[in-house]
Amino acid sequence: GAVVSQHPSRVICKSGTSVKIECRSLDFQATTMFWYRQFPKQSLMLMATSNEGSKATYEQGVEKDKFLINHASLTLSTLTVTSAHPEDSSFYICSAHDRGGGYTFGSGTRLTVV
Amino acid sequence: AQSVTQLDSQVPVFEEAPVELRCNYSSSVSVYLFWYVQYPNQGLQLLLKYLSGSTLVKGINGFEAEFNKSQTSFHLRKPSVHISDTAEYFCAVGPRQAGTALIFGKGTTLSVSS
Repeated sequence: GAVVSQHPSRVICKSGTSVKIECRSLDFQATTMFWYRQFPKQSLMLMATSNEGSKATYEQGVEKDKFLINHASLTLSTLTVTSAHPEDSSFYICSAHDRGGGYTFGSGTRLTVV
Repeated sequence: AQSVTQLDSQVPVFEEAPVELRCNYSSSVSVYLFWYVQYPNQGLQLLLKYLSGSTLVKGINGFEAEFNKSQTSFHLRKPSVHISDTAEYFCAVGPRQAGTALIFGKGTTLSVSS
């Protein structure tokens, strides 16, 4: 089946630094990928839609200058959290359309900013 | 626009009992429907999906769901649960349009005890 690989699974960074999260589709090409954020005990909130070769589309309230998304190839999308602060600590999950008409999710990245 | 309502935030059950997790959706267009399970600090695993055809959908781990268009529902059921089914369950809806993200319900915590 379709597999989306997300790395790193956990990262701890200092306040003010930047963190990059990678999301790769391993056995299919993903023209579109989606980035979600999940707070503890809460649902997934869509942050942005990433399209290969073009600018990402951000949801209302998501700072595009803080959450930089790059989708440079059909198999790789990255989310960079710039100048991270403790309030950016969260669980970030990527997703992509798969061949079967569904959506495959990465395993998530737990970001802790200290 | 689409929305998803999971009617129960928590469902406690005893092992080997049947369970139903309720999901209602709202949409002005035709949609695909999904159920995902999430274990702590992990990504989402697809349980089952409804794209078209038979309204009774069978998924992994003995789960099934029935699409009811008139009641705009997609309830998840399992005839006999195990301790290992303890997890967070998310219902999601996606419009039948390429490049569009899933919208999630708030989740239902299923707690199975012996």
